[in-house]
Amino acid sequence: RKEVEQDPGPFNVPEGATVAFNCTYSNSASQSFFWYRQDCRKEPKLLMSVYSSGNEDGRFTAQLNRASQYISLLIRDSKLSDSATYLCVVNPWASGTYKYIFGTGTRLKVLA
Amino acid sequence: GAVVSQHPSWVICKSGTSVKIECRSLDFQATTMFWYRQFPKQSLMLMATSNEGSKATYEQGVEKDKFLINHASLTLSTLTVTSAHPEDSSFYICSARPGQGAGGTNEKLFFGSGTQLSVL
Repeated sequence: RKEVEQDPGPFNVPEGATVAFNCTYSNSASQSFFWYRQDCRKEPKLLMSVYSSGNEDGRFTAQLNRASQYISLLIRDSKLSDSATYLCVVNPWASGTYKYIFGTGTRLKVLA
Repeated sequence: GAVVSQHPSWVICKSGTSVKIECRSLDFQATTMFWYRQFPKQSLMLMATSNEGSKATYEQGVEKDKFLINHASLTLSTLTVTSAHPEDSSFYICSARPGQGAGGTNEKLFFGSGTQLSVL
């Protein structure tokens, strides 16, 4: 089983739609979780951290479910500019070391 | 926010040559830097963790003699692809983690802009 798994998509949605991505992780001791956005041939950019209590930033909502070992990202009112690959990142925090593991990414295409 | 500078942005070289990629943290000290490789339509794969003043920790399957990492200062890490071959063509990205010590489990990574390596 991969350490971090995502549905690669693509998710094709119309403008204004709500779309949700899930990401599962295998290491129950994982401490930190993030969603990054990556445009084609660009570096990943931090979208948001994911906290146990859930967090929201504008149209984006992230949640963590430790019991089921997954995190989610919800995008409301999708814009054309949201088209990108969304990467789930987990820090297993093993033995006091930082080792950020990336999922394969979920491609989102927002259609006009 | 924290800035990480990576260069060159792209490089084309002949098979058998060595290529050095630099990664600098411009406004913070980075005790740890990470080197990733990304093939088309795939995710970032961690190659190695670079710690200032000590040897890098390589992931399984990554040849340490081929991918030389040097982290001589708190703001600079370099990756040298030695005797590059066409199969080494890829997008290489560095990242750095601000902060020191063992605290801050929710610390974020900041990325360089990446280097597209093409080996002919």
